Amino acid sequence: DIQMTQSPSSMSASLGDRVTITCQASQDIGNNLIWFQQKPGKSPRPMIYYATNLANGVPSRFSGSRSGSDYSLTISSLESEDMADYHCLQYKQYPWTFGGGTKLELK
Amino acid sequence: EVQLVESGGGLVKPGSSLKLSCVASGFTFSSYGMHWIRQAPKKGLEWIALIYYDSSNKYYADSVKGRFTISRDNSKNTLYLEMNSLRSEDTAMYYCAKGAHYWGQGVMVTVSS
Repeated sequence: DIQMTQSPSSMSASLGDRVTITCQASQDIGNNLIWFQQKPGKSPRPMIYYATNLANGVPSRFSGSRSGSDYSLTISSLESEDMADYHCLQYKQYPWTFGGGTKLELK
Repeated sequence: EVQLVESGGGLVKPGSSLKLSCVASGFTFSSYGMHWIRQAPKKGLEWIALIYYDSSNKYYADSVKGRFTISRDNSKNTLYLEMNSLRSEDTAMYYCAKGAHYWGQGVMVTVSS
């Protein structure tokens, strides 16, 4: 199975900060990665698909990038509504595997 | 608009069985593979099963293989997850999903004596 190592597991940041969350894949997954945002009591919401593509309706302050086996989600200027859990998912092969999640809190 | 509505969750004892349903609307259900994904309380997400659009192939996570069965009825636009020999570690919110982009609201399953 492909392991997705997500870091950090939690972080606190201030409004306006630039925030980056990373997932490292244990095997080649190409760009077959999705970033999700999840708020309490809600289903995960896709934010970035195919590693770098912004999903419909997602603010442009969100972006995705790839460097080798490292995939990053960046929020360029943190807003209060961005406080949530974030998850990565590889869908290159079954079983699909998720990162462990990142809890983003306000400092 | 894609809608996925799960039902059938509840509180059950270890070793018992439960069958979840997911009714789909807003797309041609019979043309898409469907997934079940779960999330234990305060934990991460775990993909558990996939069924092809025509039920020709099914895949399972090792954690549920041999205990859970995914199925579908395309005439009813409904996806199922039959869960047997339930364990406390199966306690989770269960989501059905169309691909990875569309998720239902989830249904809670609690396994406890």
